[in-house]
Amino acid sequence: NAGVTQTPKFRILKIGQSMTLQCTQDMNHNYMYWYRQDPGMGLKLIYYSVGAGITDKGEVPNGYNVSRSTTEDFPLRLELAAPSQTSVYFCASSAVGPNTGELFFGEGSRLTVL
Amino acid sequence: GENVEQHPSTLSVQEGDSAVIKCTYSDSASNYFPWYKQELGKRPQLIIDIRSNVGEKKDQRIAVTLNKTAKHFSLHITETQPEDSAVYFCAASIEGGGNKLTFGTGTQLKVEL
Repeated sequence: NAGVTQTPKFRILKIGQSMTLQCTQDMNHNYMYWYRQDPGMGLKLIYYSVGAGITDKGEVPNGYNVSRSTTEDFPLRLELAAPSQTSVYFCASSAVGPNTGELFFGEGSRLTVL
Repeated sequence: GENVEQHPSTLSVQEGDSAVIKCTYSDSASNYFPWYKQELGKRPQLIIDIRSNVGEKKDQRIAVTLNKTAKHFSLHITETQPEDSAVYFCAASIEGGGNKLTFGTGTQLKVEL
């Protein structure tokens, strides 16, 4: 059972480039999330989805986009990368909303924008 | 929106001692409070959680207490071991609040031999 899988694990981008962080889960969870983690700042919610075809903004959505065409996949798109987007990104999923159940995190993707 | 403050940011204890991490939240409607542990270079993992209808919950060496009146909750680790060294995050959410889990800024716990 793979759980939540993120790719790539590491990536260096130049300012203005675009890229997609991939996230897939095999637990048939309806809820999926993208967080970013900056040193000393905890985990900030970027976007989340409560099911296929439904997405919504979190605390820090600017500069990002998401889609949820299937239950399994929840890619995060960065358009026009900026140094402020240098961070570690975590995808997560849960069987129910996070206020009632455990979040299962992927291993993280470390992104550096130069 | 919800704001969660966590203290201390770093904590160093001797092996066998107890460790306490404290969090406060701003929204009195919050009713679910999980704690996640993140080892160096690893993903966060849930270690314990508590809902607002109880004041304390224990699981072996870890316990969480909740004071709804004061809007704060704490993680207690007894008989600390080197493998307890990690970053611990508290979080809070409101049932029906758009599924938004708000995290604290984390506590780096170091258990020294």
